[in-house]
Amino acid sequence: DTGVSQDPRHKITKRGQNVTFRCDPISEHNRLYWYRQTLGQGPEFLTYFQNEAQLEKSRLLSDRFSAERPKGSFSTLEIQRTEQGDSAMYLCASSPGGRVLGYTFGSGTRLTVV
Amino acid sequence: ILNVEQSPQSLHVQEGDSTNFTCSFPSSNFYALHWYRWETAKSPEALFVMTLNGDEKKKGRISATLNTKEGYSYLYIKGSQPEDSATYLCASPRPGGGADGLTFGKGTHLIIQP
Repeated sequence: DTGVSQDPRHKITKRGQNVTFRCDPISEHNRLYWYRQTLGQGPEFLTYFQNEAQLEKSRLLSDRFSAERPKGSFSTLEIQRTEQGDSAMYLCASSPGGRVLGYTFGSGTRLTVV
Repeated sequence: ILNVEQSPQSLHVQEGDSTNFTCSFPSSNFYALHWYRWETAKSPEALFVMTLNGDEKKKGRISATLNTKEGYSYLYIKGSQPEDSATYLCASPRPGGGADGLTFGKGTHLIIQP
Protein backbone atom coordinates (compact mmCIF):
# COMPACT_ATOMS: atom_id res chain seq x y z
CA ASP A 1 0.00 0.00 0.00
CA THR A 2 1.50 3.32 -1.06
CA GLY A 3 -0.57 5.56 1.19
CA VAL A 4 -3.46 7.85 0.35
CA SER A 5 -3.61 8.89 -3.28
CA GLN A 6 -5.67 11.67 -4.81
CA ASP A 7 -6.48 12.37 -8.40
CA PRO A 8 -6.07 14.73 -10.14
CA ARG A 9 -3.28 16.75 -8.51
CA HIS A 10 -4.41 19.93 -10.22
CA LYS A 11 -7.66 20.96 -11.84
CA ILE A 12 -8.48 24.18 -13.62
CA THR A 13 -12.11 24.65 -14.52
CA LYS A 14 -14.40 27.38 -15.75
CA ARG A 15 -17.00 28.80 -13.43
CA GLY A 16 -20.23 26.87 -13.67
CA GLN A 17 -18.64 23.55 -14.64
CA ASN A 18 -18.84 20.39 -12.54
CA VAL A 19 -15.71 18.72 -11.19
CA THR A 20 -15.08 15.40 -9.49
CA PHE A 21 -12.10 14.39 -7.39
CA ARG A 22 -11.09 10.91 -6.33
CA CYS A 23 -9.40 9.65 -3.18
CA ASP A 24 -8.00 6.16 -2.61
CA PRO A 25 -7.36 5.64 1.10
CA ILE A 26 -5.12 3.11 2.81
CA SER A 27 -7.01 -0.14 2.33
CA GLU A 28 -7.13 -1.13 6.02
CA HIS A 29 -8.50 2.28 7.10
CA ASN A 30 -12.26 2.36 7.58
CA ARG A 31 -12.45 6.14 8.08
CA LEU A 32 -12.09 8.67 5.31
CA TYR A 33 -12.17 12.45 5.60
CA TRP A 34 -12.36 15.34 3.17
CA TYR A 35 -10.87 18.73 4.08
CA ARG A 36 -10.51 22.00 2.21
CA GLN A 37 -7.65 24.43 2.67
CA THR A 38 -7.59 27.98 1.41
CA LEU A 39 -4.69 30.43 1.47
CA GLY A 40 -3.70 31.45 4.99
CA GLN A 41 -6.08 29.01 6.65
CA GLY A 42 -5.71 25.58 8.18
CA PRO A 43 -7.55 22.62 6.64
CA GLU A 44 -11.30 22.84 7.25
CA PHE A 45 -13.39 19.72 7.81
CA LEU A 46 -15.90 18.98 5.04
CA THR A 47 -17.19 15.46 5.53
CA TYR A 48 -16.38 12.07 6.96
CA PHE A 49 -17.12 8.43 6.14
CA GLN A 50 -16.96 5.34 8.24
CA ASN A 51 -16.84 2.53 5.70
CA GLU A 52 -19.50 3.44 3.13
CA ALA A 53 -21.62 5.53 5.52
CA GLN A 54 -21.31 9.33 5.36
CA LEU A 55 -21.64 10.19 9.05
CA GLU A 56 -21.25 13.95 9.04
CA LYS A 57 -21.20 16.90 6.69
CA SER A 58 -19.90 20.31 7.65
CA ARG A 59 -22.13 23.35 7.33
CA LEU A 60 -19.40 24.60 4.98
CA LEU A 61 -20.59 22.02 2.48
CA SER A 62 -23.29 23.60 0.34
CA ASP A 63 -25.82 21.64 -1.68
CA ARG A 64 -23.47 21.90 -4.66
CA PHE A 65 -21.06 19.51 -2.94
CA SER A 66 -21.62 15.77 -2.74
CA ALA A 67 -19.37 12.96 -1.61
CA GLU A 68 -19.65 9.22 -1.92
CA ARG A 69 -17.73 6.21 -0.79
CA PRO A 70 -19.28 3.22 -2.53
CA LYS A 71 -18.32 -0.14 -1.02
CA GLY A 72 -16.27 1.61 1.64
CA SER A 73 -13.18 1.87 -0.53
CA PHE A 74 -12.34 4.90 -2.68
CA SER A 75 -14.29 8.14 -2.34
CA THR A 76 -15.32 10.86 -4.76
CA LEU A 77 -16.07 14.51 -4.05
CA GLU A 78 -18.15 16.31 -6.67
CA ILE A 79 -18.68 20.03 -6.91
CA GLN A 80 -21.51 21.17 -9.19
CA ARG A 81 -21.74 24.61 -10.79
CA THR A 82 -18.33 25.64 -9.49
CA GLU A 83 -17.78 29.17 -8.21
CA GLN A 84 -14.55 31.12 -7.82
CA GLY A 85 -14.84 30.74 -4.06
CA ASP A 86 -14.47 26.99 -4.49
CA SER A 87 -10.81 27.48 -5.49
CA ALA A 88 -8.82 25.67 -2.80
CA MET A 89 -6.73 22.63 -1.99
CA TYR A 90 -8.96 19.62 -1.35
CA LEU A 91 -7.33 17.12 0.97
CA CYS A 92 -8.35 13.56 1.66
CA ALA A 93 -7.20 11.63 4.73
CA SER A 94 -7.84 8.20 6.15
CA SER A 95 -7.42 6.62 9.54
CA PRO A 96 -8.07 3.27 11.17
CA GLY A 97 -10.45 5.00 13.55
CA GLY A 98 -10.40 6.72 16.91
CA ARG A 99 -9.44 10.22 17.91
CA VAL A 100 -6.00 9.28 19.20
CA LEU A 101 -4.62 7.91 15.96
CA GLY A 102 -3.00 10.21 13.42
CA TYR A 103 -4.45 10.67 9.98
CA THR A 104 -2.68 9.76 6.75
CA PHE A 105 -3.21 12.50 4.20
CA GLY A 106 -3.04 12.49 0.45
CA SER A 107 -1.18 15.18 -1.48
CA GLY A 108 -4.40 16.97 -2.29
CA THR A 109 -6.15 18.25 -5.40
CA ARG A 110 -5.57 21.93 -6.17
CA LEU A 111 -8.72 23.36 -7.75
CA THR A 112 -8.66 26.67 -9.58
CA VAL A 113 -11.96 28.07 -10.83
CA VAL A 114 -11.54 30.76 -13.50
CA ILE B 1 -17.06 25.69 18.17
CA LEU B 2 -13.51 24.61 18.89
CA ASN B 3 -10.89 27.32 18.28
CA VAL B 4 -7.36 26.12 17.76
CA GLU B 5 -4.85 28.95 17.58
CA GLN B 6 -1.20 28.84 16.55
CA SER B 7 1.58 31.35 16.95
CA PRO B 8 3.57 32.73 15.41
CA GLN B 9 2.06 32.66 11.94
CA SER B 10 5.52 32.53 10.36
CA LEU B 11 9.04 32.19 11.61
CA HIS B 12 12.50 32.60 10.05
CA VAL B 13 15.26 30.71 11.84
CA GLN B 14 18.96 30.40 11.09
CA GLU B 15 20.21 26.91 10.31
CA GLY B 16 21.55 25.31 13.47
CA ASP B 17 19.40 27.38 15.84
CA SER B 18 16.66 25.84 17.96
CA THR B 19 13.11 27.11 17.85
CA ASN B 20 9.65 26.53 19.26
CA PHE B 21 6.08 27.54 18.57
CA THR B 22 2.73 27.31 20.27
CA CYS B 23 -0.67 25.76 19.80
CA SER B 24 -3.53 26.77 22.10
CA PHE B 25 -6.90 25.08 22.37
CA PRO B 26 -9.90 25.13 24.71
CA SER B 27 -8.98 23.16 27.82
CA SER B 28 -12.55 21.96 28.48
CA ASN B 29 -13.64 18.68 26.88
CA PHE B 30 -10.08 17.97 25.77
CA TYR B 31 -9.60 14.68 23.96
CA ALA B 32 -6.37 14.73 21.97
CA LEU B 33 -3.93 17.08 20.28
CA HIS B 34 -2.36 16.27 16.90
CA TRP B 35 0.74 17.84 15.29
CA TYR B 36 1.38 17.60 11.54
CA ARG B 37 4.20 18.79 9.31
CA TRP B 38 3.26 19.92 5.80
CA GLU B 39 6.06 20.45 3.32
CA THR B 40 5.35 22.24 0.06
CA ALA B 41 4.02 19.91 -2.68
CA LYS B 42 3.79 17.00 -0.24
CA SER B 43 1.14 15.47 2.03
CA PRO B 44 0.68 16.62 5.62
CA GLU B 45 2.61 14.14 7.77
CA ALA B 46 1.56 13.14 11.27
CA LEU B 47 4.22 13.97 13.88
CA PHE B 48 2.54 13.36 17.23
CA VAL B 49 -0.81 12.59 18.81
CA MET B 50 -0.88 13.57 22.47
CA THR B 51 -3.55 12.81 25.02
CA LEU B 52 -2.19 13.07 28.56
CA ASN B 53 -1.50 16.24 30.51
CA GLY B 54 2.24 16.67 30.94
CA ASP B 55 2.95 14.31 28.05
CA GLU B 56 6.15 14.87 26.13
CA LYS B 57 6.88 13.17 22.82
CA LYS B 58 10.03 13.14 20.72
CA LYS B 59 10.88 12.25 17.14
CA GLY B 60 14.51 12.88 16.25
CA ARG B 61 15.20 16.60 16.76
CA ILE B 62 11.51 17.44 17.16
CA SER B 63 9.65 17.22 20.46
CA ALA B 64 6.31 18.37 21.79
CA THR B 65 4.80 19.01 25.20
CA LEU B 66 1.18 19.18 26.29
CA ASN B 67 -0.62 21.11 29.03
CA THR B 68 -4.30 20.20 28.94
CA LYS B 69 -5.21 22.22 32.06
CA GLU B 70 -4.16 25.52 30.54
CA GLY B 71 -4.82 24.48 26.95
CA TYR B 72 -1.50 24.71 25.14
CA SER B 73 1.13 22.60 23.43
CA TYR B 74 4.65 23.55 22.39
CA LEU B 75 6.57 22.10 19.47
CA TYR B 76 10.37 22.31 19.71
CA ILE B 77 12.93 21.83 16.96
CA LYS B 78 16.53 21.47 18.05
CA GLY B 79 19.37 22.42 15.70
CA SER B 80 17.14 23.44 12.76
CA GLN B 81 18.03 22.10 9.33
CA PRO B 82 16.81 23.29 5.90
CA GLU B 83 14.64 20.17 5.59
CA ASP B 84 12.66 21.36 8.63
CA SER B 85 11.20 24.16 6.50
CA ALA B 86 7.47 23.45 6.39
CA THR B 87 4.12 24.49 7.80
CA TYR B 88 3.45 22.94 11.19
CA LEU B 89 -0.22 22.36 11.97
CA CYS B 90 -1.86 21.42 15.22
CA ALA B 91 -5.37 20.04 15.46
CA SER B 92 -7.84 18.71 17.98
CA PRO B 93 -10.90 16.50 17.55
CA ARG B 94 -14.09 18.53 17.49
CA PRO B 95 -16.14 18.14 20.66
CA GLY B 96 -19.60 16.70 20.58
CA GLY B 97 -21.32 14.69 17.91
CA GLY B 98 -20.22 11.33 16.62
CA ALA B 99 -17.61 12.45 14.11
CA ASP B 100 -13.95 12.60 14.97
CA GLY B 101 -12.92 15.07 12.31
CA LEU B 102 -10.19 17.44 13.40
CA THR B 103 -10.25 21.21 13.81
CA PHE B 104 -6.93 22.63 12.62
CA GLY B 105 -5.10 25.82 13.50
CA LYS B 106 -3.85 28.06 10.71
CA GLY B 107 -0.34 26.70 11.08
CA THR B 108 3.13 28.09 11.73
CA HIS B 109 5.13 28.54 8.52
CA LEU B 110 8.77 27.82 9.37
CA ILE B 111 11.61 28.87 7.07
CA ILE B 112 15.14 27.74 7.88
CA GLN B 113 17.74 30.08 6.45
CA PRO B 114 21.14 28.55 5.57
